[in-house]
Amino acid sequence: NAGVTQTPKFRILKIGQSMTLQCTQDMNHNYMYWYRQDPGMGLKLIYYSVGAGITDKGEVPNGYNVSRSTTEDFPLRLELAAPSQTSVYFCASSYDSFGGELFFGEGSRLTVL
Amino acid sequence: GDSVTQMEGPVTLSEEAFLTINCTYTATGYPSLFWYVQYPGEGLQLLLKATKADDKGSNKGFEATYRKETTSFHLEKGSVQVSDSAVYFCALPSGAGSYQLTFGKGTKLSVIP
Repeated sequence: NAGVTQTPKFRILKIGQSMTLQCTQDMNHNYMYWYRQDPGMGLKLIYYSVGAGITDKGEVPNGYNVSRSTTEDFPLRLELAAPSQTSVYFCASSYDSFGGELFFGEGSRLTVL
Repeated sequence: GDSVTQMEGPVTLSEEAFLTINCTYTATGYPSLFWYVQYPGEGLQLLLKATKADDKGSNKGFEATYRKETTSFHLEKGSVQVSDSAVYFCALPSGAGSYQLTFGKGTKLSVIP
């Protein structure tokens, strides 16, 4: 029962470096999401996907890119990392749009120095 | 746009105390409403939901009633335990097609023995 799996759990980047946060789900969910969580600010949606080959911007997409080549995988790419991207990132999936339930991964803590 | 406002924390209670965490919403129509919980070091998980006005969601001793007259969805528990220490998020669907879930800023609850 893996659910939603994110890697890595922790990462430190230098300003200007790039990296990809991996997310995979084994529940055959069509909908997948990337959120970032900053202290006292709740969660902000970065990007989402309603199915393979379809992605769209959320509330805070600048500095990020995504792709969805398969139903299972939804990687988040950070280009030219900046200190403002220091955050905890959560990937989530759902079977359908709401009222469906969101299933979250355990999070990836990224620090940009 | 659609949004939720929840009481700011942190909230500290003694074991067996009564808990209320306030949540009010702004929305067109009557969307489903959700409470999610985040235990330390983990991703969010669904605690309870209500899909229409006057519905009561319940789980693990927690309850919340969807009240359209007051646009509220307050979370309550009659007797909290140390294991309830977590961050609680109120949420509702938003955006075109309701694909997105908008979260409140979260309320941190600490229960002391």
